[in-house]
Amino acid sequence: EVRLLESGGGLVQPGGSLRLSCAASGLTFGSYDMTWVRQAPGRGLEWVSGISGSGDNTKYADSVKGRFTISRDNSRNTLFLQMNSLRLEDTAVYFCAKAAGDHWGQGTLVSVSS
Amino acid sequence: DIQMTQSPSSLAASVGDRVTITCRASQSISRYLIWYQQKPGKAPKLLIYGASSLESGVPSRFSGSGSGTDFTLTINNLQPEDFATYYCQQTYSTLMFTFGQGTKVEI
Repeated sequence: EVRLLESGGGLVQPGGSLRLSCAASGLTFGSYDMTWVRQAPGRGLEWVSGISGSGDNTKYADSVKGRFTISRDNSRNTLFLQMNSLRLEDTAVYFCAKAAGDHWGQGTLVSVSS
Repeated sequence: DIQMTQSPSSLAASVGDRVTITCRASQSISRYLIWYQQKPGKAPKLLIYGASSLESGVPSRFSGSGSGTDFTLTINNLQPEDFATYYCQQTYSTLMFTFGQGTKVEI
């Protein structure tokens, strides 16, 4: 059974940083492109970032470009999202997911507030 | 960047109804389109991939169609468990998989 488990969310002040992790099991992790998707309270889904299976190719939404960095450690079956210079509007539940959309984590809440 | 426009943003329906949701891409995406269902507090659930292929375990009352820029999700014989929010997502752009705004199906 494929499982994706996010961690690292929490409360942070504007301008602060957080690092999210997504631990994967039940799949050959390095074979799959992965994505981060977020959902602000009461809002729709927003694609945030994607990374190829090897980690060589990454993409970002304009709203986070230059502030967020996606990475992965295939030896540890883990996906990361380093979030710097956080803004109030980054408050959301952050999901990791296989790029194919067939498996998602349960989400981790990031709250940016002073 | 490819923009995805869903309509309507919400709709009211009754059990047994047929519901149609549309999604339009800002450029051709061939058949690289996914449909999800999301219920409050839960992660999205994959319903349809490749514009019209039904994910394993998804009831056959769900169907998808379209190619290029215009796509449709149809739910036949709407069931109580189908009241949820539905999203389309393009997977044409490498690693940049934008979503539509969502359609809330409510009573």
